[in-house]
Amino acid sequence: QKEVEQNSGPLSVPEGAIASLNCTYSDRGSQSFFWYRQYSGKSPELIMFIYSNGDKEDGRFTAQLNKASQYVSLLIRDSQPSDSATYLCAVMRRDDKIIFGKGTRLHILP
Amino acid sequence: GAVVSQHPSRVICKSGTSVKIECRSLDFQATTMFWYRQFPKQSLMLMATSNEGSKATYEQGVEKDKFLINHASLTLSTLTVTSAHPEDSSFYICSAMSGGNQPQHFGDGTRLSIL
Repeated sequence: QKEVEQNSGPLSVPEGAIASLNCTYSDRGSQSFFWYRQYSGKSPELIMFIYSNGDKEDGRFTAQLNKASQYVSLLIRDSQPSDSATYLCAVMRRDDKIIFGKGTRLHILP
Repeated sequence: GAVVSQHPSRVICKSGTSVKIECRSLDFQATTMFWYRQFPKQSLMLMATSNEGSKATYEQGVEKDKFLINHASLTLSTLTVTSAHPEDSSFYICSAMSGGNQPQHFGDGTRLSIL
């Protein structure tokens, strides 16, 4: 099992709809979880981070964490064409090493 | 806040040249900095982790004598690609974190092209 798993996509979502991006991780002791957005040819930029079970909202973005299921997700409401990018899930293991998933390509259909 | 500056943004040079890339945290002290490499349409690949004042920890398969990392201060880390060859052409990205459970913040990356 890979340490951090994401569906590579592409995930196609109509403009205005909710995009749901999922990530699972293997280290049950992981404490910190991050979502990054990476446009083609650019470096990743931090979107959100979450430490506690439940939901964390920031504008159109909601991060959801379920430590029992070892599952973290990112919801993007009112999707815009500018949201089209690759979304990277990152998990900090108990040894403080951050592991990145391979990313999910999101395509918002105008 | 949490700005990471990476320089240069693009390098084109001849085979055999050594190339130095700088990574600076502008508004925070970075206890740890990371260097990644990313080939087109591929995922990020961690090359090494560096802590200020100590030797870098290289990932398996990364040649430490080819990719020299120096983390001289809490705000500066450098990556030197020695005797670069065309197969070293890639997008090199640094990131920095201030410690604890804090997220990594990325520089804008350096696109290296070896002719």
